[in-house]
Parts: sequence; C-alpha cells; structure tokens
Amino acid sequence: GAVVSQHPSRVICKSGTSVKIECRSLDFQATTMFWYRQFPKQSLMLMATSNEGSKATYEQGVEKDKFLINHASLTLSTLTVTSAHPEDSSFYICSAREPRTSADTQYFGPGTRLTVL
Amino acid sequence: AQTVTQSQPEMSVQEAETVTLSCTYDTSENNYYLFWYKQPPSRQMILVIRQEAYKQQNATENRFSVNFQKAAKSFSLKISDSQLGDTAMYFCASPHQGGSEKLVFGKGTKLTVNP
Repeated sequence: GAVVSQHPSRVICKSGTSVKIECRSLDFQATTMFWYRQFPKQSLMLMATSNEGSKATYEQGVEKDKFLINHASLTLSTLTVTSAHPEDSSFYICSAREPRTSADTQYFGPGTRLTVL
Repeated sequence: AQTVTQSQPEMSVQEAETVTLSCTYDTSENNYYLFWYKQPPSRQMILVIRQEAYKQQNATENRFSVNFQKAAKSFSLKISDSQLGDTAMYFCASPHQGGSEKLVFGKGTKLTVNP
C-alpha cells in the first residue's frame, strides 16, 4: 500500500522560533502533496497544495510567509512554521496523492503535534 | 462554496451490529471519486473506502460498504459486524470544485462501538 511518513510526530518550541515538519512518501513518488491543519475535535482544514518543482498554492487566509512549503523532490515536502506563536499550536497533517491510480486518492501521514510555548 | 455534510456528529453501536453513517455532498462534476476516511484515537487518517461516481455499483471493502445515490448526492457508509477497533472519527470527502486534486471534508461523525 501507499505509505506516508511525517517527522517529527510532536514538537515543542519557544515562541518566535521556526519549526520544520517533513512529509515523505515512502513507496511511491508524489508530484502533489497537501498540508492540513486540524484543531481539536474538528475536521481537516486544507492549508496548501504542494507541487514538486513549483510554488505551493495556498488556501485563502493562510499566510504564505508564515507557513513556508518546499517540495524539493518527488518524495519529500516540508512545512516550516516561521516565527511560531502559541496560536500556531495545532495538529498538522500531510497527505500525498498516489498517482498510480486514477482515483486521486490521498494517503495521509501520521501527523505532527506542534506546541508553541 | 462546495460542502460536504455529515449530519450525525456522534453515533454509537453495539459490537457485532450494523451502523450507517450518512454523507451528502455538492458538486457539479460529472465523474469524480468519493472517499470515507477513519481517524482513530491515534489520529492517523486511514482510507476506508472509495467510490467512483461513474460506476453504479456500490463499493465494498470487507465489512464496509457504501450506498451511493448519485442523483441525490448521497454517499453513506455501512459498517457491518462492528468491532471495537472501528471506534473512530469518520470523515466523508469529495473532490473540490473544478476537478481539482483537492478534497473537501465533512465535519466528521464520531462512532463508538460498545462491547
């Protein structure tokens, strides 16, 4: 099956610092990856679409300068939360689109819990 | 804006019984895929089942099946012989408008399977 990893699984940082989260597709190449944010007991909120070799597309209301996305290879996308503040504390989930099927199926990483002190 | 509606915030079922989770969606696309994902307490999103709108036959994966009503834009999930491990949040998802690769998720249904 299609496996997506995410690292780290949880991170605690001080306010004002930057945090990088990695998302990797382990057994397939993903030209498109997605980054979501999930608040407690809520659904997934799409933040941005990450395309290999091009700039990410951000959803309305998501600050591109705050949430930097880099899709450097067909198996790796990174999300950097810059100058993090307590309100950025959340659960961040990535997904990768499995291209070998025509079903546009997204497979998800296990998520990263970010806590900003 | 495109919406996916899950009208049951919470449901419970006894072990070994059957439960149906409802989902309605809104799209103007003609051919598309629909998905059900589960999110157990570990918070890992797991694909449960997917349905191609072009196919009239309802998708089935072991104990999980869907009742897809294209005209009504309804896509319910039936879980048969419920097991304790089925306890999770269940999210219905449909493609974003315009044939985008993006998905729109419903708010989820919290399912509890009781022993």
